[in-house]
Amino acid sequence: GQQLNQSPQSMFIQEGEDVSMNCTSSSIFNTWLWYKQDPGEGPVLLIALYKAGELTSNGRLTAQFGITRKDSFLNISASIPSDVGIYFCAGPRGDIWDTGKLIFGQGTTLQVKP
Amino acid sequence: DGGITQSPKYLFRKEGQNVTLSCEQNLNHDAMYWYRQDPGQGLRLIYYSQIVNDFQKGDIAEGYSVSREKKESFPLTVTSAQKNPTAFYLCASSIGRTTYQPQHFGDGTRLSIL
Repeated sequence: GQQLNQSPQSMFIQEGEDVSMNCTSSSIFNTWLWYKQDPGEGPVLLIALYKAGELTSNGRLTAQFGITRKDSFLNISASIPSDVGIYFCAGPRGDIWDTGKLIFGQGTTLQVKP
Repeated sequence: DGGITQSPKYLFRKEGQNVTLSCEQNLNHDAMYWYRQDPGQGLRLIYYSQIVNDFQKGDIAEGYSVSREKKESFPLTVTSAQKNPTAFYLCASSIGRTTYQPQHFGDGTRLSIL
């Protein structure tokens, strides 16, 4: 079945460093969503991508919809301690009709050392 | 403020007991979803509802039940048939029934076994 593979699984970086993570699939996706989850809370939508090649920014975050439609990238510039959390990518199920159901990657856990 | 409210934050279940997790939204969203999150894993879909009085099974519906009698409410019952209920449960909603309207999440309920 469809799967989303995120890498790396975890990262431990120094405050101020830039961060890159990605999400890949063997299937084509028409939408890519990036969420962040703080400990003990629900995921919060960071960026939504709807078009192949699209590059979208949200403050220090930048995400790209891969041109092959099989991958997406999330970059965080100049990391700060509050960037700590789990970052999930998600995309729509491969149903014939778009039912709104999502597939989630396993997440990338980010830790930032002050 | 508009949002999704899950209650309680923490819940304990005894053997053989059914427990119900509450999810209420005041966003006027049509679609609502229940996910289960286990440590180190992504989110797995339990049930979803795209309209009042209608709901569909997700990937791991066994041992769970739902109802959608009101647009604002989508309670999840974890029955005694669910043998491994310890997890973090997340409720989400979206404006419409497609992935072009991203899902927004509540802050979750953590369920443990006594």
